[in-house]
Amino acid sequence: ETGVTQTPRHLVMGMTNKKSLKCEQHLGHNAMYWYKQSAKKPLELMFVYSLEERVENNSVPSRFSPECPNSSHLFLHLHTLQPEDSALYLCASSQDPGSSYEQYFGPGTRLTVT
Amino acid sequence: AQSVTQPDIHITVSEGASLELRCNYSYGATPYLFWYVQSPGQGLQLLLKYFSGDTLVQGIKGFEAEFKRSQSSFNLRKPSVHWSDAAEYFCAVGPVSGGFKTIFGAGTRLFVKA
Repeated sequence: ETGVTQTPRHLVMGMTNKKSLKCEQHLGHNAMYWYKQSAKKPLELMFVYSLEERVENNSVPSRFSPECPNSSHLFLHLHTLQPEDSALYLCASSQDPGSSYEQYFGPGTRLTVT
Repeated sequence: AQSVTQPDIHITVSEGASLELRCNYSYGATPYLFWYVQSPGQGLQLLLKYFSGDTLVQGIKGFEAEFKRSQSSFNLRKPSVHWSDAAEYFCAVGPVSGGFKTIFGAGTRLFVKA
């Protein structure tokens, strides 16, 4: 595997379910990100991790819970989601967490909340 | 507040024709500037970036962008569009003062007609 991978690629869940999204980067980067991409809206930064430490939490509801066990893996735990949470969730990584560094994106997880 | 504006939601060009996608930003100083492309079902891929120096930047796939400080613009250009260029294009800015938040525009969808 190369680059940034995300699983699953598609997920349908009910509002009472608990699920997790997984991201893995094979680039040796120190920073990882979660973004939400909704139709006709700009990408919304959710969380930033630098060397497994959360350095940015962008006023995201607590029903989204990130976890970064090491610098290569990032999870987004989901519970009691709302229909408006349906979106494409993108994971990205960069060499370091500064805004000057280009980000490498995974293909995303298409989430549908029913 | 920092912002990025892509005035065109979608653009249609004929294959072989030239392309210009517009991007304007609002920021107190010259930020880091990026253009990313997203093909259907894929994550974002960096086309090019500007940090300083020559205001005309060359990127991958034959794209270039010109930074114009007086107009707070960073427009993306390609002299001859190929059908495979059909995708969504995102302009992004990152603050030079540090921080982790790269701000993305809402995107411009490019359609290429034969």
